[in-house]
Amino acid sequence: GENVEQHPSTLSVQEGDSAVIKCTYSDSASNYFPWYKQELGKRPQLIIDIRSNVGEKKDQRIAVTLNKTAKHFSLHITETQPEDSAVYFCAASKGKIIFGKGTRLHILP
Amino acid sequence: DSGVTQTPKHLITATGQRVTLRCSPRSGDLSVYWYQQSLDQGLQFLIQYYNGEERAKGNILERFSAQQFPDLHSELNLSSLELGDSALYFCASSAGQGGNTIYFGEGSWLTVV
Repeated sequence: GENVEQHPSTLSVQEGDSAVIKCTYSDSASNYFPWYKQELGKRPQLIIDIRSNVGEKKDQRIAVTLNKTAKHFSLHITETQPEDSAVYFCAASKGKIIFGKGTRLHILP
Repeated sequence: DSGVTQTPKHLITATGQRVTLRCSPRSGDLSVYWYQQSLDQGLQFLIQYYNGEERAKGNILERFSAQQFPDLHSELNLSSLELGDSALYFCASSAGQGGNTIYFGEGSWLTVV
């Protein structure tokens, strides 16, 4: 069945450094790849998304890249700040949205 | 505020009992999704409805069922509850059947004791 693998499960970076989270998906028909940020006890919120006809998308400090051939996509956060600390989920969709298991990002002072 | 409304916010019930979680999607959205999130776990897809019809099914237990009503609100029914069913249950909605942004409600915290 459809599957989304996400790595790493935990990531600690120094404030100001960059963070990269990687995901792979199994269903080649997937055409929509959103990323969600979830703070403790709160709902997941969309931070950026990319469609299969685009290779890269950027929004201020956040960027996402997609390699359809390899079936993997990545989230890049530059100049990390304390408020970036949260759990990040990648997802792949061709209909229903399947999420990765999440990455807990810690920004160290 | 995402526009997706879930009730109740918190619920404590005993093993063996049955509960119903309710979700109202964003205005205009036809799809409703249910996800289960256990402590420190990911978002487990349960089921999707589109305009009243079941659209996709995930790892939903036979003890669980859901439906979407003509006014597009949805209910998730959990029966014969077990301790392991304790989790945060999210409802989400989107405009189309798939390939669209989904917006999450605040979730319903279920504790089974």
